[in-house]
Amino acid sequence: KAGVTQTPRYLIKTRGQQVTLSCSPISGHRSVSWYQQTPGQGLQFLFEYFSETQRNKGNFPGRFSGRQFSNSRSEMNVSTLELGDSALYLCASSSDPAPYEQYFGPGTRLTVT
Amino acid sequence: SQQGEEDPQALSIQEGENATMNCSYKTSINNLQWYRQNSGRGLVHLILIRSNEREKHSGRLRVTLDTSKKSSSLLITASRAADTASYFCATVLYGNNRLAFGKGNQVVVIP
Repeated sequence: KAGVTQTPRYLIKTRGQQVTLSCSPISGHRSVSWYQQTPGQGLQFLFEYFSETQRNKGNFPGRFSGRQFSNSRSEMNVSTLELGDSALYLCASSSDPAPYEQYFGPGTRLTVT
Repeated sequence: SQQGEEDPQALSIQEGENATMNCSYKTSINNLQWYRQNSGRGLVHLILIRSNEREKHSGRLRVTLDTSKKSSSLLITASRAADTASYFCATVLYGNNRLAFGKGNQVVVIP
C-alpha cells in the first residue's frame, strides 16, 4: 500500500496570507489527523477527521481549520498567517477501530516571513 | 492536556550499545506508542503497547509499561548508526484517537 502523502512539501508564505495543505491517507483509512511540530512547543494535535466529520479538536485558534472529503483526503487551512505558524505540519492516517496506530506523512514545512 | 515526558532528553552512545529512554504520563491511558523521527521528517511508528500489557518486543526494540507508575521505557538493543533519530512517546486516551506527544529524546549512535 502507498503511504500517507502530503503536498506541498515546502511552502513559504508572508504574514497575513492564507495557506492550504493537503493530505492523502493510506487507502482504506478513514481517520486523518493533523499535528503541528515546532522547536518550542513540540508536537501538538490540531484536529482529527473521520468520515468527513471533525471528531477531535486541539487547542488552536479558529484560524486553523480543516476538512475531509468523501475519498478521505483531507486539507487543512490556516488563515491570516502569523510568524509563529512556521512549523512542520504532519498528517497521519489510521484505520478504525482502536487501538489507532497512526501512520504519518513526510510533512509540509511551512515558513512564514 | 495530558502529555508524555521522556527522560533523558539527549543520549549519545557507541554503536553496539543499548539505548534506554523513559516516558512518564499523568492520567489513565488506552495505549502508549513510540515513534521515531529522522531529521525533521515524518514520524515512523515503532511499537504500540496497550494499557493491559506490560512488555512488548519488536525486533531490537523492547517496550515496557508500568501503569501503576504511569511510565514506559523503550530499549533499543545493539544500536546501529541508522538508529540515530529523535524518539517520541505518545499516549492515547480511551475513546480518543488523539496522540499526546512527549518532548522527545535525541539519540545519536556513533559508528
